[in-house]
Amino acid sequence: DVKVTQSSRYLVKRTGEKVFLECVQDMDHENMFWYRQDPGLGLRLIYFSYDVKMKEKGDIPEGYSVSREKKERFSLILESASTNQTSMYLCASSFSQAGAYQPQHFGDGTRLSIL
Amino acid sequence: DAKTTQPPSMDCAEGRAANLPCNHSTISGNEYVYWYRQIHSQGPQYIIHGLKNNETNEMASLIITEDRKSSTLILPHATLRDTAVYYCIVIEEYGNKLVFGAGTILRVKS
Repeated sequence: DVKVTQSSRYLVKRTGEKVFLECVQDMDHENMFWYRQDPGLGLRLIYFSYDVKMKEKGDIPEGYSVSREKKERFSLILESASTNQTSMYLCASSFSQAGAYQPQHFGDGTRLSIL
Repeated sequence: DAKTTQPPSMDCAEGRAANLPCNHSTISGNEYVYWYRQIHSQGPQYIIHGLKNNETNEMASLIITEDRKSSTLILPHATLRDTAVYYCIVIEEYGNKLVFGAGTILRVKS
């Protein structure tokens, strides 16, 4: 079974802090994704990466950055946390098959609260 | 711009088949139908996908109408652990992001 592991299930940080969310997958997937999920707004893509050191902006990249130094690890960084970044953050990974969409496999999420 | 329409909630008796409908009347020829579910406090879980033929795997069956404007996810013998929000999504063959709508809350009751 594919395993996508997110470093924390719950996290509480203060406004202005730099926050790191870590994600590791064990299936040698090329693609990795960061989403946030909010009630009434559904799932929204922040960033994705299709290879080491490569990244693409999703729909809501403002206030976030990412890092992918190794194939299995994808980090989401909140440069200066704000209260409107309180949310559930979900990491996902998938194979890449000639660019065609492949099912994404998700971690269990990090519920981040910014006070 | 919703591409799929699902009922907000459904109930199903434990051990019976759960049939979850989805309308996707504007689907285009290169778009697949995908189903995911999200159990409370967990991340979304991939279930099944299809283009135009019916599909079956160890979790579920997917029935797509001939005109591809609607589909039905079938859980053949629902259990209490199948209680979750089920999302029907259409994705381009070379798309790379998921957009979840509100989904259907399935409650399996004993």
